[in-house]
Amino acid sequence: GAGVSQSPSNKVTEKGKDVELRCDPISGHTALYWYRQSLGQGLEFLIYFQGNSAPDKSGLPSDRFSAERTGGSVSTLTIQRTQQEDSAVYLCASSWSTRGGVYEQYFGPGTRLTVT
Amino acid sequence: AQSVAQPEDQVNVAEGNPLTVKCTYSVSGNPYLFWYVQYPNRGLQFLLKYITGDNLVKGSYGFEAEFNKSQTSFHLKKPSALVSDSALYFCAVRGLPSGTYKYIFGTGTRLKVLA
Repeated sequence: GAGVSQSPSNKVTEKGKDVELRCDPISGHTALYWYRQSLGQGLEFLIYFQGNSAPDKSGLPSDRFSAERTGGSVSTLTIQRTQQEDSAVYLCASSWSTRGGVYEQYFGPGTRLTVT
Repeated sequence: AQSVAQPEDQVNVAEGNPLTVKCTYSVSGNPYLFWYVQYPNRGLQFLLKYITGDNLVKGSYGFEAEFNKSQTSFHLKKPSALVSDSALYFCAVRGLPSGTYKYIFGTGTRLKVLA
């Protein structure tokens, strides 16, 4: 079946512009995560959605970052007034409900964001 | 606070030799532990997980990992390395929920298997 998809695959933007990154999770997966992967930094947790519960936003690095998940499916990560330090690969992952057990995450291919 | 350490940035091993990629963790309570692999130009893929039970967990592609509670470690192993195992490996931990279900990932270990 279809995996997690993300768009765009690459995004180059000028400093100060806003960007939107999209994630389509696997159908039926109610848990959705956003991570940031910087060179040599591993994966940094950003935000987590589980069903209709309030998201865990504890990893968002600043108030320029926000995310929403519409209809319990597609998610959009928005970065306002981008800075050069925002340049990274942004990864989305989904899994079965975390309320019902401990399930592995399925990752999308990522969006490579470059802020010039 | 939860944390994961992968002490080696890179591990080199000759093809056919056993490999070990190290991971140690710190969580309050019993941990849920994972290994993921990232092949070049491909997304992260799940390898194996430990939730409870047998300390030796077997996963995809012949990999296994041993949970050691006293040493708070979850090292990834394979008896005989292949060149195709060359990739970036991440250890991750999720502790007991304290209002959060987030995962903490290590910084990754690059495995290079030499022919």
